[in-house]
Amino acid sequence: DTGVSQNPRHKITKRGQNVTFRCDPISEHNRLYWYRQTLGQGPEFLTYFQNEAQLEKSRLLSDRFSAERPKGSFSTLEIQRTEQGDSAMYLCASSLAQGWGTEAFFGQGTRLTVV
Amino acid sequence: AQTVTQSQPEMSVQEAETVTLSCTYDTSENNYYLFWYKQPPSRQMILVIRQEAYKQQNATENRFSVNFQKAAKSFSLKISDSQLGDTAMYFCAIRPTGNQFYFGTGTSLTVIP
Repeated sequence: DTGVSQNPRHKITKRGQNVTFRCDPISEHNRLYWYRQTLGQGPEFLTYFQNEAQLEKSRLLSDRFSAERPKGSFSTLEIQRTEQGDSAMYLCASSLAQGWGTEAFFGQGTRLTVV
Repeated sequence: AQTVTQSQPEMSVQEAETVTLSCTYDTSENNYYLFWYKQPPSRQMILVIRQEAYKQQNATENRFSVNFQKAAKSFSLKISDSQLGDTAMYFCAIRPTGNQFYFGTGTSLTVIP
């Protein structure tokens, strides 16, 4: 296991289409986070899971966004009816649950371009 | 609410010199962790250094050290003996509740040969 893996790395889609991204966390990590990063900004929190339970969602996560983590392993983030404002880098991170000081390990991200 | 402010969008430093990146934050929590993450071009973010708010002693990791001023809510990163591989975006982050991380807008550091 070499780290957090995200697929695809790049996605170009037409406005109005649905897209789905996948994240495979480090195998023993029970927490999984999704962040969005736009140009010139830091990562913004979207949602996180502990095992298969989605524990928190940001107000940034509109009804067009849905995330799942079946069986507490990989996670998917789906965006329905994409808009140009959805263009961003979508980052996934994973960590162990114990301890506030536990670092999050990030994937390389999926860059979404909506045209 | 938690906020993290990085007031230096871009910085540069000569190779082998020392540079300090600034970060201020705001939180109403009593205990929290602070982090500096590095994001090299086209690569994933990796942890540089972390600091628990209850610890007085500043954290150090090889060439990287922090100056943590809790009363001033300041958490700067000092990079000594800068190397070309230090060229990256650097993000300051706070984790107040053990759940999510809150990030600043980042500082783009260029090490000049």
